[in-house]
Amino acid sequence: KNQVEQSPQSLIILEGKNCTLQCNYTVSPFSNLRWYKQDTGRGPVSLTIMTFSENTKSNGRYTATLDADTKQSSLHITASQLSDSASYICVVVPLGGGSYIPTFGRGTSLIVHP
Amino acid sequence: GAGVSQSPSNKVTEKGKDVELRCDPISGHTALYWYRQSLGQGLEFLIYFQGNSAPDKSGLPSDRFSAERTGGSVSTLTIQRTQQEDSAVYLCASRDTFPGNTIYFGEGSWLTVV
Repeated sequence: KNQVEQSPQSLIILEGKNCTLQCNYTVSPFSNLRWYKQDTGRGPVSLTIMTFSENTKSNGRYTATLDADTKQSSLHITASQLSDSASYICVVVPLGGGSYIPTFGRGTSLIVHP
Repeated sequence: GAGVSQSPSNKVTEKGKDVELRCDPISGHTALYWYRQSLGQGLEFLIYFQGNSAPDKSGLPSDRFSAERTGGSVSTLTIQRTQQEDSAVYLCASRDTFPGNTIYFGEGSWLTVV
């Protein structure tokens, strides 16, 4: 079964600090890997999309990395802000089969304290 | 519209009643997904529509759940004889033709079965 595992489950940091969220997956082969941000009570919003041939992708203070050999991805948040408090979800889209149905991790809940 | 629109945003229904949830995808998007998210849980795939192809219904949890997509645009998710365990946020998402492109989510329909 294709799985996406994220760690840590939750994380609390002080405003201005950096943090790194981890994602391990077993989906193979895969088309692309995405990171989403989901604010409480809202729908997920796309942060980054990487194909299997990409190693890194940045979006402002968010930088995602991908190691397709070890099937690991990380999301690094620089100089955190209070508005970064949210759930960050790793999503892997499989290749082939025609459905391209994304598999979602359970997310890492990030709380940024002032 | 500019984004994926879902209605109703909130629905409280009595156990045993039927409910319909509506999704208006982004204009021109051929792919449409329904996901379910229970409190504190990850997104659970329900059903996927792609153009005129037969939908992938592999995620529907029981025969009480069904979905339609009329004219390749608006989609309706129907839950018959609702149960308390159906209480969740139902998220709709759409994407244009290319599988590598961004998947955009609506804000969800919050369903509470009492």
